[in-house]
Amino acid sequence: DAGVIQSPRHEVTEMGQEVTLRCKPISGHDYLFWYRQTMMRGLELLIYFNNNVPIDDSGMPEDRFSAKMPNASFSTLKIQPSEPRDSAVYFCASRSRGREETQYFGPGTRLLVL
Amino acid sequence: GQSLEQPSEVTAVEGAIVQINCTYQTSGFYGLSWYQQHDGGAPTFLSYNALDGLEETGRFSSFLSRSDSYGYLLLQELQMKDSASYFCAVNQAGTALIFGKGTTLSVSS
Repeated sequence: DAGVIQSPRHEVTEMGQEVTLRCKPISGHDYLFWYRQTMMRGLELLIYFNNNVPIDDSGMPEDRFSAKMPNASFSTLKIQPSEPRDSAVYFCASRSRGREETQYFGPGTRLLVL
Repeated sequence: GQSLEQPSEVTAVEGAIVQINCTYQTSGFYGLSWYQQHDGGAPTFLSYNALDGLEETGRFSSFLSRSDSYGYLLLQELQMKDSASYFCAVNQAGTALIFGKGTTLSVSS
């Protein structure tokens, strides 16, 4: 199994630009999660999906952030417009139904907004 | 809401035993998980407790007391490769894991 796949692995952009992060969950997993990690705030849950449907987006910081999951094998997290305070590592994770304790994380996207 | 508290840093020497504590406040608690994250890497699952007591997985053990809203991760026979951040996380049934801020473990020779 290839595990959770994220792209790009690194992204450097300028303030005001649109950023799109991509995630392919593990095949057969029903849940997909987006987390953001910073030194100050730790690992924060942004949004999660169950069977492609967004369940809880209360962690999305602002309207500048949006996430979609058009099918079971693909999700995007978009930031438009980006700001320097959005600089962080963004992780995607997935898990199967009934295994709430075990989330499999992708390698992360390291985002730097200048 | 929910909150988790764990020490920010712990240091130890090779071969020693280290305990990382975690206290939590949450509703609808189902279990406590532990994850390890090496510098520059992704969090990976270590252990899970749904019931009170000790779970052992090789050199690592995890304990839970639901009545005290408390758990710990015990690492034995420490090795240099155990230097990493360790996160406790609460699982609310049917939802995502909510993570603590993490404990950075530094193992020296």
